[in-house]
Amino acid sequence: QKEVEQNSGPLSVPEGAIASLNCTYSDRVSQSFFWYRQYSGKSPELIMSIYSNGDKEDGRFTAQLNKASQYVSLLIRDSQPSDSATYLCAVNIGGTGRRALTFGSGTRLQVQP
Amino acid sequence: NAGVTQTPKFRILKIGQSMTLQCTQDMNHNYMYWYRQDPGMGLKLIYYSVGAGITDKGEVPNGYNVSRSTTEDFPLRLELAAPSQTSVYFCASSAGRRGIQETQYFGPGTRLLVL
Repeated sequence: QKEVEQNSGPLSVPEGAIASLNCTYSDRVSQSFFWYRQYSGKSPELIMSIYSNGDKEDGRFTAQLNKASQYVSLLIRDSQPSDSATYLCAVNIGGTGRRALTFGSGTRLQVQP
Repeated sequence: NAGVTQTPKFRILKIGQSMTLQCTQDMNHNYMYWYRQDPGMGLKLIYYSVGAGITDKGEVPNGYNVSRSTTEDFPLRLELAAPSQTSVYFCASSAGRRGIQETQYFGPGTRLLVL
């Protein structure tokens, strides 16, 4: 089992729809969770961070964390073609004693105009 | 602030050659990281550092070496380049407050081709 798992996609949604991206992780002691967006040929950039169970909203983006189920998701409302990118989930596997993040392989999102 | 800078942007190496990938950050961050990203894949951690003089291996350290003599710089050395090291290399940094895993900020990447 991979430590951080994501569906590789592509996930295709029409413009204006909600895109739902999912990520599961293997370690119950993980405490920090991040979503990064990566455009083709570019470096990852932070979209959201979440540390507590529940929802965290920032503009069109909502991160959802469920530590009991070891599941974190990212919802993108009113999806735009400019949201087309690969979304990377990152988790501090091993908890606070681990000083690095483990990244999933990413989900490629395609927003159709 | 320039953030995290990396040089070169692109390099072609012959098998067996060596090179150093440069990484500099101007945010006074304690933690710095080197990742590689193969096509269609996620990021794999090569080495990281939690402060000057302190480095540790990540998931895929073989064939690489690092040093951290200053807070700002974290060069990655490739010895005896092999085709398997063809990849995009990203450097990242984070503030590194005790006990908290914080946002990592990435450089623009170095694309390396080993032939």
